[in-house]
Amino acid sequence: AQRVTQPEKLLSVFKGAPVELKCNYSYSGSPELFWYVQYSRQRLQLLLRHISRESIKGFTADLNKGETSFHLKKPFAQEEDSAMYYCALSGSSGNTPLVFGKGTRLSVIA
Amino acid sequence: DTAVSQTPKYLVTQMGNDKSIKCEQNLGHDTMYWYKQDSKKFLKIMFSYNNKELIINETVPNRFSPKSPDKAHLNLHINSLELGDSAVYFCASSHGTGGAFFGQGTRLTVV
Repeated sequence: AQRVTQPEKLLSVFKGAPVELKCNYSYSGSPELFWYVQYSRQRLQLLLRHISRESIKGFTADLNKGETSFHLKKPFAQEEDSAMYYCALSGSSGNTPLVFGKGTRLSVIA
Repeated sequence: DTAVSQTPKYLVTQMGNDKSIKCEQNLGHDTMYWYKQDSKKFLKIMFSYNNKELIINETVPNRFSPKSPDKAHLNLHINSLELGDSAVYFCASSHGTGGAFFGQGTRLTVV
């Protein structure tokens, strides 16, 4: 069964502190992993894809197949990073619906 | 240019009414979706539509019906609205394995 687990419902950090948003997944096969961000009352925006191994807005995420994890990290949090973050997976065959975690609300305190 | 657009952005209606939400994408994607985001911010797939193949999430009541007049549009029609249908509905589209692009959402409030 496909499942994405984000154990933290809310994460509060001080500005300038490191951030790690946890994501674990369960999938029988090779999934595609993503992080999406949703700012207050806005659309979901694609933040990162594991296949592109990029850094967006200072965020990175590494796929660890051994631990079935895809944690999102940023060395120095900014106030504008405050948002809802969703980890998601889809099948590797393409055009399969995303399965989302329940989301983690990141609050960066000045 | 808005890649995935939904209308209306807000919809307030009475119980028992029938309503539609429209979605259009100009990305040339071949697959479109409807997701529901409930009051706890959980996101769940409702439907996906690819080359006239409709895949339905079995937990979605049959009062919800997607309609796709062409590859760029996937509308959502809801019959006999209930209080529990209040949520934010997101349309999305994708092509291949690059992830999905989302519309701005439609906040439906049933009173």
